[in-house]
Amino acid sequence: EVQLLESGGGSVQPGGSLRLSCAASGLTFSDFAMSWVRQAPGKGLEWVSIISARGPTYYADSVKGRFTISRDNSKNTVYLQMNSLRAEDTAVYYCTKEHRVDSQFYFDLWGQGTPVTVSS
Amino acid sequence: QTVVTQEPSFSVSPGGTVTLTCGLSSGSVSTSYYPSWYQQTPGQAPRTLIYNTNSRSSGVPDRFSGSILGSRAALTITGAQAEDESNYYCALYFGTGIWMFGGGTKLTVL
Repeated sequence: EVQLLESGGGSVQPGGSLRLSCAASGLTFSDFAMSWVRQAPGKGLEWVSIISARGPTYYADSVKGRFTISRDNSKNTVYLQMNSLRAEDTAVYYCTKEHRVDSQFYFDLWGQGTPVTVSS
Repeated sequence: QTVVTQEPSFSVSPGGTVTLTCGLSSGSVSTSYYPSWYQQTPGQAPRTLIYNTNSRSSGVPDRFSGSILGSRAALTITGAQAEDESNYYCALYFGTGIWMFGGGTKLTVL
């Protein structure tokens, strides 16, 4: 079965750090770009970051300089290192796979999400 | 700062037709933004409905369709059913890896 499984969420104080993981199964992980999308309580989806199959990374302005996305293709896992966390980073963080084939760009697989709470 | 805009809420009667739209705070949405649509019910992960403006994802009923209407991307539900009551999000690809979601539309079927 093709699936994404996030882990690493939890509670942290403002200014703290957290590392999220997303393990992929049932697909050739190294072929695909992977992204993180978050959703604050009662709010909409917000794209956070993406790492392409070959390694280039991109970030939303709201997290640039604080978050780092990386991947380990040997472990079929993508990570999101979150530093200098703020209350406004409180959200459910979803891992998602980007489909980028034949001039088609969209997110075609989603994990169930992992919650992050930043509070003192 | 570009913002992707959606109607905050919409309602439709069972069996009716509704069109949700996705625009830009400045400029027009075209197929070059590869508009996609996602459905999300509270507490659940998003589900991919439409990609590349008008292609349905696997398993999505054909009552869901996508298009460009004027300067906006559109998601039309023809013959709405009770189970279509959800939040709907559009996403646009701005190139060089950058994505942006709209604020979402809460659809009520009543």
